[in-house]
Amino acid sequence: EAQVTQNPRYLITVTGKKLTVTCSQNMNHEYMSWYRQDPGLGLRQIYYSMNVEVTDKGDVPEGYKVSRKEKRNFPLILESPSPNQTSLYFCASSPSNDAGGRGKLFFGSGTQLSVL
Amino acid sequence: AQSVSQHNHHVILSEAASLELGCNYSYGGTVNLFWYVQYPGQHLQLLLKYFSGDPLVKGIKGFEAEFIKSKFSFNLRKPSVQWSDTAEYFCAVLTTSGTYKYIFGTGTRLKVLA
Repeated sequence: EAQVTQNPRYLITVTGKKLTVTCSQNMNHEYMSWYRQDPGLGLRQIYYSMNVEVTDKGDVPEGYKVSRKEKRNFPLILESPSPNQTSLYFCASSPSNDAGGRGKLFFGSGTQLSVL
Repeated sequence: AQSVSQHNHHVILSEAASLELGCNYSYGGTVNLFWYVQYPGQHLQLLLKYFSGDPLVKGIKGFEAEFIKSKFSFNLRKPSVQWSDTAEYFCAVLTTSGTYKYIFGTGTRLKVLA
């Protein structure tokens, strides 16, 4: 089944404790991206990657890191989480060609992060 | 700065009523436009998209949207809503000039009363 898999679904942590949220897709998509969803603010893009070893900042990259060593994986790293990073996070991927549905984002199920 | 505005934050309708959700964007380059839907407890799913061609696009579940370039708008419509359309709806723009960024609106929560 074609899907984007995020783990964990729920995470509670404390300020300053490094954490990684994993994201994997099995559709051979070139494009992957991370978003945070906050009430009243919609989704805001954190980082995106056009392909392996190619990443770029979205609108709210501060406090986050990403890497794209393999096409299928795009982990989100919080080196020193703070309470203002408490949010619902979504990973998404997209093909880059029209036949595959260029531009259409396939979303993971989300990770609810609470930083105490 | 590039932005997407959804002016209706909450909409309540009765079943069979017609729906129109507004979306305006601020971006000077070529735009690719999307509407996504998020049902309670689920992730976002694509309703429809516009890249070029016919400005009236049809999506899944009877939804359609019209791109009006002069108004920088991409409003979502459905002639007759159902209870199952209760969800949050997001308009989004994909910018492809120099960067490949998605910009989402703040969302519209639709509640359809049975």
